[in-house]
Amino acid sequence: RKEVEQDPGPFNVPEGATVAFNCTYSNSASQSFFWYRQDCRKEPKLLMSVYSSGNEDGRFTAQLNRASQYISLLIRDSKLSDSATYLCVVLTGNQFYFGTGTSLTVIP
Amino acid sequence: DADVTQTPRNRITKTGKRIMLECSQTKGHDRMYWYRQDPGLGLRLIYYSFDVKDINKGEISDGYSVSRQAQAKFSLSLESAIPNQTALYFCATSRGQETQYFGPGTRLLVL
Repeated sequence: RKEVEQDPGPFNVPEGATVAFNCTYSNSASQSFFWYRQDCRKEPKLLMSVYSSGNEDGRFTAQLNRASQYISLLIRDSKLSDSATYLCVVLTGNQFYFGTGTSLTVIP
Repeated sequence: DADVTQTPRNRITKTGKRIMLECSQTKGHDRMYWYRQDPGLGLRLIYYSFDVKDINKGEISDGYSVSRQAQAKFSLSLESAIPNQTALYFCATSRGQETQYFGPGTRLLVL
């Protein structure tokens, strides 16, 4: 079983839409969680960390459900510039595990 | 200037050749990592290092070796490159278990 699993998409949404991504992880001992953004052929960049109580950064909201072992990312009022691949990342012990990413295209 | 740099950015080589990818960081982080990224497989860990002289195997270390010569430098070697090592390679750094920061990547093509 993979450490981290994501729906690869693609998600194609119109500008202004709200879109949500989910990610599941297999190890209940995982201790930290992140969402990264990766633009085509570029390096991944941290979008936001995910805290147990949930957290928000502008149009982005991340939530963690430890009981069900999943994390989510909600993007409100989608912009064209949000088009990218979103990677779910889980820290377990000393290693970071990456999902394969979910592709988002925001359409004018 | 970028905090994490990788050289070369692109490389084409032939099967059987030895190749070295270099990573340098100015962030002062203790931990450094090498990943490869393949379409549909996501990022997979090759090797990681928590300090100078500390080397740990990751998920897919076969066919690779690394050297941590200084806190700021972590190099990845392919002793005898093969075509299925064609991939996008990323170096990353972190301070302890905090957020990872990635270099711009090296595109490697093995013919």
